[in-house]
Amino acid sequence: QLRLQESGPGLVKPSETLSLTCTVSGGSISSSTHYWVWIRQPPGKGLEWIGSIYHSGDTNDNPSLKSRVSISVDTSKSQFSLRLSSVTAADTAVYYCARRPYYHGMDVWGQGTTVTVSS
Amino acid sequence: EIVMTQSPATLSLFPGERATLSCRASQNIRSYLAWYQQKPGQAPRLVIDGASTGATGIPARFSGSGSGTEFTLTISSLQSEDFAVYYCQQYHNWPLTFGGGTNVEIK
Repeated sequence: QLRLQESGPGLVKPSETLSLTCTVSGGSISSSTHYWVWIRQPPGKGLEWIGSIYHSGDTNDNPSLKSRVSISVDTSKSQFSLRLSSVTAADTAVYYCARRPYYHGMDVWGQGTTVTVSS
Repeated sequence: EIVMTQSPATLSLFPGERATLSCRASQNIRSYLAWYQQKPGQAPRLVIDGASTGATGIPARFSGSGSGTEFTLTISSLQSEDFAVYYCQQYHNWPLTFGGGTNVEIK
């Protein structure tokens, strides 16, 4: 059974870069029929798509994040990663990684990791 | 960007009642719509895919309908475990976008 697990610092200082990793187990990250996705949820608010990556490294990200997003994949480690630069308190959220089959919704999610931006 | 609008924001119902949740897209998304259920402290869970296909393990009391710009999620008879927040999400265009959610609460 496919499992996704987020990891990374729970506290990031303002203006610094948030870095998270999602480890995929129980299945292949090199699948040609899936995207790997980052989503976040600020406290008490709804869901926001951050960006997606294909195993080849091709990416799409949310224009609302103003080019602060970088997503990468390391197939040898079965991991994909998120970097969000110049963070502010507005980036405080639960960050989820997920799998999205082509032309489908996100069918497998990690448990989420809370990131707080504070000095 | 496609804007997804969900209504109502809150739905207060008794167990056993029928729940009808609405989602509207700002432009035609064909059937590229998913519904998710989220309980407090948990990750979202895919409930309906392709506007009307139940996801793996989802009970038959959950059904989805619609295409184009108007979509509905129906829970035929609410069970205690169904009280949660439900989000719709379009995957027709980048950026992927979510609705603001409907909180289905116990009356």
